[in-house]
Amino acid sequence: KQEVTQIPAALSVPEGENLVLNCSFTDSAIYNLQWFRQDPGKGLTSLLLIQSSQREQTSGRLNASLDKSSGRSTLYIAASQPGDSATYLCAVEGGSNYKLTFGKGTLLTVNP
Amino acid sequence: EAQVTQNPRYLITVTGKKLTVTCSQNMNHEYMSWYRQDPGLGLRQIYYSMNVEVTDKGDVPEGYKVSRKEKRNFPLILESPSPNQTSLYFCASSPWEGRTSYEQYFGPGTRLTVT
Repeated sequence: KQEVTQIPAALSVPEGENLVLNCSFTDSAIYNLQWFRQDPGKGLTSLLLIQSSQREQTSGRLNASLDKSSGRSTLYIAASQPGDSATYLCAVEGGSNYKLTFGKGTLLTVNP
Repeated sequence: EAQVTQNPRYLITVTGKKLTVTCSQNMNHEYMSWYRQDPGLGLRQIYYSMNVEVTDKGDVPEGYKVSRKEKRNFPLILESPSPNQTSLYFCASSPWEGRTSYEQYFGPGTRLTVT
């Protein structure tokens, strides 16, 4: 059974700092990996999707990488801002099915 | 506006009283899915559907039913709710072509309390 782990569980940084969030998964036979953002009391917003054949994706200040063989992904946020404060979740889609398995998330706080 | 809508947003009910949470999307997406989110357990997939009349179990399907009679709707049915189904529920949809999947769009959530 696929398991997804996110480290750290919480992170607090000063504004302007570059930071990295980590995601690892136990079964490397994935079809894609997605990073989401969740604001308190809200639904999830997709940030980046990396297909299994890709190594990274970029959107603005966000860069996500995928190393399928080692079962790892990172989300890099450049020049963090207080508006980036949220919970960040990664999810993998199974290679032999269409299930989506989520990590428990990293709660990010960016202090002004 | 492209969106996934869920109703109701909040629901308090009693054990054993059948309920349905509706989910509708206006983006003509093939893939739809239900999740529950619990503190300490994260988001877990309940059921998903690849298209009309095609559904499959996620990781925690027990106590839930779904149907996909129309492409835009994917209701979640709790035939006999129990307190352990108290949770925050999310519906999501995405395009799906062959084996190419795309970003998922999430609804705003339904907070269910079963007493």
